[in-house]
Amino acid sequence: AQSVTQPDIHITVSEGASLELRCNYSYGATPYLFWYVQSPGQGLQLLLKYFSGDTLVQGIKGFEAEFKRSQSSFNLRKPSVHWSDAAEYFCAVGASGTYKYIFGTGTRLKVLA
Amino acid sequence: EAGVAQSPRYKIIEKRQSVAFWCNPISGHATLYWYQQILGQGPKLLIQFQNNGVVDDSQLPKDRFSAERLKGVDSTLKIQPAKLEDSAVYLCASSLASHQDTQYFGPGTRLTVL
Repeated sequence: AQSVTQPDIHITVSEGASLELRCNYSYGATPYLFWYVQSPGQGLQLLLKYFSGDTLVQGIKGFEAEFKRSQSSFNLRKPSVHWSDAAEYFCAVGASGTYKYIFGTGTRLKVLA
Repeated sequence: EAGVAQSPRYKIIEKRQSVAFWCNPISGHATLYWYQQILGQGPKLLIQFQNNGVVDDSQLPKDRFSAERLKGVDSTLKIQPAKLEDSAVYLCASSLASHQDTQYFGPGTRLTVL
């Protein structure tokens, strides 16, 4: 069965600092991987997704993520965080050939001015 | 392009009462999803429709939850009777059709059961 682990419940970074949010997944085959962001009172917005091909994926708002099969990871990165990036971030895994996503428990990002 | 619409945005009810949520997906999107997001957790899929047929409702508590998608467009999710543990945000999402298509989420309905 698919599963997703986001080990960090809360992360605090200073504005302008770099960011890395961790995501580990469990799935037998090549998964579909996603990062979503949720601002307070808002729905989820897709930042980026990986289906196949280049393992370094570029997304919106300056985010990128790298798929590492050997580590079963899909970590999200941003070189310089802005105050507006404060939100909750969810990693999700989808099984190929299905529509079902399994979401992690989320990482809440706080940005210090 | 208009996004996924949901109403109401907030609802407070007492346990054992009934409640209904409405979702209007993005025009042309064949697939519609209802998720339950309990505080501190990620969204959990309750039910998935492809047009007006149910694809997956394995995690829907069918003794109290029901959902329908008439004419393959709008959808309603109903809870009857509600329990305290149903307090959560209910998210609706839609996608074009393929499993590779992005799911677009609505703003959600926050339900509080007292």
